[in-house]
Parts: sequence; structure tokens; C-alpha cells
Amino acid sequence: RKEVEQDPGPFNVPEGATVAFNCTYSNSASQSFFWYRQDCRKEPKLLMSVYSSGNEDGRFTAQLNRASQYISLLIRDSKLSDSATYLCVVNPLYYGNNRLAFGKGNQVVVIP
Amino acid sequence: DVKVTQSSRYLVKRTGEKVFLECVQDMDHENMFWYRQDPGLGLRLIYFSYDVKMKEKGDIPEGYSVSREKKERFSLILESASTNQTSMYLCASRPTGGEEKLFFGSGTQLSVL
Repeated sequence: RKEVEQDPGPFNVPEGATVAFNCTYSNSASQSFFWYRQDCRKEPKLLMSVYSSGNEDGRFTAQLNRASQYISLLIRDSKLSDSATYLCVVNPLYYGNNRLAFGKGNQVVVIP
Repeated sequence: DVKVTQSSRYLVKRTGEKVFLECVQDMDHENMFWYRQDPGLGLRLIYFSYDVKMKEKGDIPEGYSVSREKKERFSLILESASTNQTSMYLCASRPTGGEEKLFFGSGTQLSVL
């Protein structure tokens, strides 16, 4: 089983709609979780860290479910500019460990 | 803002050539990384360094070496380039401690012919 798994999509989303996707991780001892955004032909950039209590940043909400070993990202009121690939990133070991595990990404296409 | 600069955006090399990819960061970060990104495979860690002259193998180090002589610079070396090393190469850095946020360079698309 891969360390981090994501459904690559694409997720075609009408503008203004809500889209949500999950990422599962295999190591139950994983400590840190992140969502990165990667635009086409650009480098990944941190979108948000995912905390045990969940967190929200504007139209974006991230949740962590340790029991089922997944994290989720929800985008409300989708904008055309949200079209990107969203990478799930997990630190499978102790804090500060440099071996982050990357998912292959969820591709989101927002349609006018 | 942290800046991670990769020396080339596009590079075309021939099989068997020695290739140097350079990465420089300006925020005094201790940790630097080299990843490659291929369609359908995601990002894979090649090597990382946690201090000057220190390096550790990542998940796919075969065919690569690295050099970190100065804190701000981390070089990836392809000793003898092969066609299966055609890929997007991404350099990243992050500080020790604090938020575990990676700062990426804009990438080098390497084509080996």
C-alpha cells in the first residue's frame, strides 16, 4: 500500500459549486499533514497545514480523521482560479523528519 | 519572502553527459531537497541535506549525486545522463524547527536525448 493515496481525478467543478476530496495515508504514526497547491507547470506551494481539530482558511476547509487515516480538503464557492492540482503531503515519522510523503495530487478543473 | 532559485528553467542534454543542476536559497535554511516529478508518479525524493557537507539518500538516489559546500547552495549531479532521467526537477528548502513548510524553486525541466 502506498504511503499517501489520492484519486487523481480530474474533478470537473462548476464555478460556484463545492468540491471535496480525500487523501488516505498508511502510517498510523504520521504526525503532520499538509495540502499543497500546484498550478500547471509551476512549483507546489503550501495551501494549508491540517491540524487535529481541522482548520479553515476562507473558502478552504481541511479535516483530519486519524481513526480512518485520511485528510480531506473542501473548497466552497469554487472560482476559476482554483483550477490546480492539490497535493496531499504527510510526514510519516517524527516531527522534523525530512522524508515527507507526497500524494500524486487531485486535479481540479473549475468550469465556467 | 523566501526565494529558492534554480539555475535553469529548461535544459536539454545528451545521453552520457554530466549534468549539474544548481539551487540557491536566500533564507539561511538548514535543510535542502531535490525531488523529481513525473506524470502519474508524483514527487519523489532524490537526496536531501540537513547541513553543509551533510547529505542523505532519498527514495530514488540511483544515478544521482549531490553537493552542499555552502549553506545556501545545493547541487544535483547526474554523472552520466540517461533518457530515463528526463523529468521535472524541483529543489526545495525549509528551516529546522518552526512550521514544516517546504519552499520550492520553480523547477528545471530536463530533457535527455
